[in-house]
Amino acid sequence: GAGVSQTPSNKVTEKGKYVELRCDPISGHTALYWYRQSLGQGPEFLIYFQGTGAADDSGLPNDRFFAVRPEGSVSTLKIQRTERGDSAVYLCASSLKGMMAGELFFGEGSRLTVL
Amino acid sequence: GENVEQHPSTLSVQEGDSAVIKCTYSDSASNYFPWYKQELGKGPQLIIDIRSNVGEKKDQRIAVTLNKTAKHFSLHITETQPEDSAVYFCAAHNNNDMRFGAGTRLTVKP
Repeated sequence: GAGVSQTPSNKVTEKGKYVELRCDPISGHTALYWYRQSLGQGPEFLIYFQGTGAADDSGLPNDRFFAVRPEGSVSTLKIQRTERGDSAVYLCASSLKGMMAGELFFGEGSRLTVL
Repeated sequence: GENVEQHPSTLSVQEGDSAVIKCTYSDSASNYFPWYKQELGKGPQLIIDIRSNVGEKKDQRIAVTLNKTAKHFSLHITETQPEDSAVYFCAAHNNNDMRFGAGTRLTVKP
């Protein structure tokens, strides 16, 4: 059975460029989360989707960050005008229970490096 | 919003000894407290969780305790093995999101 799949696994870009990170959740999981993890830190919440809608986007650091989940399955995290401080591992997780609080299944992450 | 603090940041034990990691949370409305294990280059993986209506839960060598009044919870690993070496994260769930602690790097020396 497939777990949460994230692509690319590694992305190196230049300051100012636009990047997209993709997450393919476990089939049937309606809840999807994006987290950002800096070196030596715990995952930092960015945004939570329940189905197609963003139920909570309070963790997005600024308007350069945006995420979509148009069909309630695959999600894309989009970062405009990247900055060196955006360098981190971006983790996606999906869950069956969503707001009811249950196990999050994480992907292996997309490591973003902004030069 | 919720704030989760985790201690210690690093922990080194001898194989066979016990390891204890402690977390505190700030929002009394949080009701679900999982622990995740993260190995190098991997995403975090759930190892045990506890809900706010329970004070303790055990699964083989791993146990978690929760003190709602004091707003703290702990992970206990007994009879540690080298394969327990990893980074462990606690988390607290409230409303829509899960907030994580900063992590504890556990090293089990053979």
